[in-house]
Amino acid sequence: SQKIEQNSEALNIQEGKTATLTCNYTNYSPAYLQWYRQDPGRGPVFLLLIRENEKEKRKERLKVTFDTTLKQSLFHITASQPADSATYLCALPTSGTYKYIFGTGTRLKVLA
Amino acid sequence: DAGVIQSPRHEVTEMGQEVTLRCKPISGHNSLFWYRQTMMRGLELLIYFNNNVPIDDSGMPEDRFSAKMPNASFSTLKIQPSEPRDSAVYFCASSQEGQPQHFGDGTRLSIL
Repeated sequence: SQKIEQNSEALNIQEGKTATLTCNYTNYSPAYLQWYRQDPGRGPVFLLLIRENEKEKRKERLKVTFDTTLKQSLFHITASQPADSATYLCALPTSGTYKYIFGTGTRLKVLA
Repeated sequence: DAGVIQSPRHEVTEMGQEVTLRCKPISGHNSLFWYRQTMMRGLELLIYFNNNVPIDDSGMPEDRFSAKMPNASFSTLKIQPSEPRDSAVYFCASSQEGQPQHFGDGTRLSIL
């Protein structure tokens, strides 16, 4: 069955450093992948979408890569700030539908 | 735009009681999703509607769960009878077909 894995352990980094989060998937080849941010007590908020024919996508301090050979996406936040502290989820559409499977998320804490 | 609106934000009730969660999607969105989020299992899709029609309810745990979408601006998720293991945060999300999803802020449900 289709499966997504994100590092369940929290990631703590110092302010100003680059945070890198990983999303690995198995057993299928999605046409695109999405990243969401979730703050405590709130619903996930869409950040970025990257398609299978795109190697990299940027939005301000965010960068996403998509390696379809490794079946992996990396999510980078450069010049991280305490306000970037949140849980970050990756999501992939299931084959042939608009249903999405979400990873369990990685909690990021940026220390001032 | 007001975003996806869910009610109530919190619900505490005793096992065996009927629980009804409500969702108002973003106007113009034709896809609606109900999710359940727990620490152990992350974000799980329960049911997906397209143009008010249930397309996939394979994630609904059992017959105690039911969902309806009587019109494009309203959906309900009902649990009857409720059990302690149903305690979770329930999210509603809407989207234009194939576009990123917009989530509400969820209903935190506690079954005693």
